[in-house]
Amino acid sequence: KQEVTQIPAALSVPEGENLVLNCSFTDSAIYNLQWFRQDPGKGLTSLLLIQSSQREQTSGRLNASLDKSSGRSTLYIAASQPGDSATYLCAVDWYSSASKIIFGSGTRLSIRP
Amino acid sequence: NAGVTQTPKFRVLKTGQSMTLLCAQDMNHEYMYWYRQDPGMGLRLIHYSVGEGTTAKGEVPDGYNVSRLKKQNFLLGLESAAPSQTSVYFCASSYSDRGYEQYFGPGTRLTVT
Repeated sequence: KQEVTQIPAALSVPEGENLVLNCSFTDSAIYNLQWFRQDPGKGLTSLLLIQSSQREQTSGRLNASLDKSSGRSTLYIAASQPGDSATYLCAVDWYSSASKIIFGSGTRLSIRP
Repeated sequence: NAGVTQTPKFRVLKTGQSMTLLCAQDMNHEYMYWYRQDPGMGLRLIHYSVGEGTTAKGEVPDGYNVSRLKKQNFLLGLESAAPSQTSVYFCASSYSDRGYEQYFGPGTRLTVT
């Protein structure tokens, strides 16, 4: 069964720290992987989308990496700010999944001022 | 552009009642999706559509029906609501299939008593 796992479920760090969020997935035959941000009571906002052929994508203070062979992706946040507090979800699209992406359950990040 | 909008934002139903959730997008996207989000379970795909007049089942379709009569609208219906359908429902759209970001609406919080 194709699954996406995000550990830990919650993370609290002081402001200014660099941090890494983890996403692991079964089955390395992925088409792409996407990282989303969700603020409380809100919808999801796409942060970064990594195609299968890419190793990483960057947007501002965010960097997402992809290692298909090990079934892992990481989202690196540099110089964290209280405004980064949110839930971060990763979602995987496998070649075999026919328009259906599978979401992890997310990591709830809290940045302490 | 309003992006993806959802109506209503909140709703409380009694068991056995019916209702329709409306999703609208103004980005001329072909693909539209309905997800439900439950605590600790991430988002799960209910139904999706790859174009006007088409619908397909996702991971958890039982108890729901959908229609895509117009390209910009995707309706999710509950014919006989059950407490197990208490959830937050998100609609999303994308330009095409693989390789394109999904854009999400703000969600509808549904409680079935």
